[in-house]
Amino acid sequence: AQSVTQLDSHVSVSEGTPVLLRCNYSSSYSPSLFWYVQHPNKGLQLLLKYTSAATLVKGINGFEAEFKKSETSFHLTKPSAHMSDAAEYFCVVSYTGTASKLTFGTGTRLQVTL
Amino acid sequence: DGGITQSPKYLFRKEGQNVTLSCEQNLNHDAMYWYRQDPGQGLRLIYYSQIVNDFQKGDIAEGYSVSREKKESFPLTVTSAQKNPTAFYLCASSMQGRLAKNIQYFGAGTRLSVL
Repeated sequence: AQSVTQLDSHVSVSEGTPVLLRCNYSSSYSPSLFWYVQHPNKGLQLLLKYTSAATLVKGINGFEAEFKKSETSFHLTKPSAHMSDAAEYFCVVSYTGTASKLTFGTGTRLQVTL
Repeated sequence: DGGITQSPKYLFRKEGQNVTLSCEQNLNHDAMYWYRQDPGQGLRLIYYSQIVNDFQKGDIAEGYSVSREKKESFPLTVTSAQKNPTAFYLCASSMQGRLAKNIQYFGAGTRLSVL
């Protein structure tokens, strides 16, 4: 079975400092990995995706993530946090061949302070 | 303006009542999904449909029903058998096939509460 673990339920950073949101996945096959962002009472928006091409994936709003197979990790980073980055972030895994089935992490709430 | 429209934004259910949440998409996607979101948890799959007139149960289908009579519409009914319906409900859609890369696009959600 596929699963994904987000290691922090809550992360707080100051505006202008780096962001690191951690995600580990379990894998029997080659996974597709995603990060989605959710602002309060809104739907989810795709930030970036890894689908077996380049291991360093760049997404929207300056976010990027690196797929590390040896560590089964897919951490999300951003060099400099902005107040508008405050939201809930979900790490998501699916597997080629199991079309339609996504498995979501429990989410990391990012707080950005002045 | 392409996307996924969920309505209503807020919904209240009385004891013993069935309520229906609407989801419409104009992205021409074959597949559609319903998720339930509870505080501190990730999204859990209720039902999904990969083609018109066909749908499959997800991980938490009990107390819910769906229909897929049209490609663009996938309504979810929360029945009286669902004893804890208070949650945020999200609808999503995606293309099918390897090129789709399992990317799902989400609506803005419906928040359901029990009176």
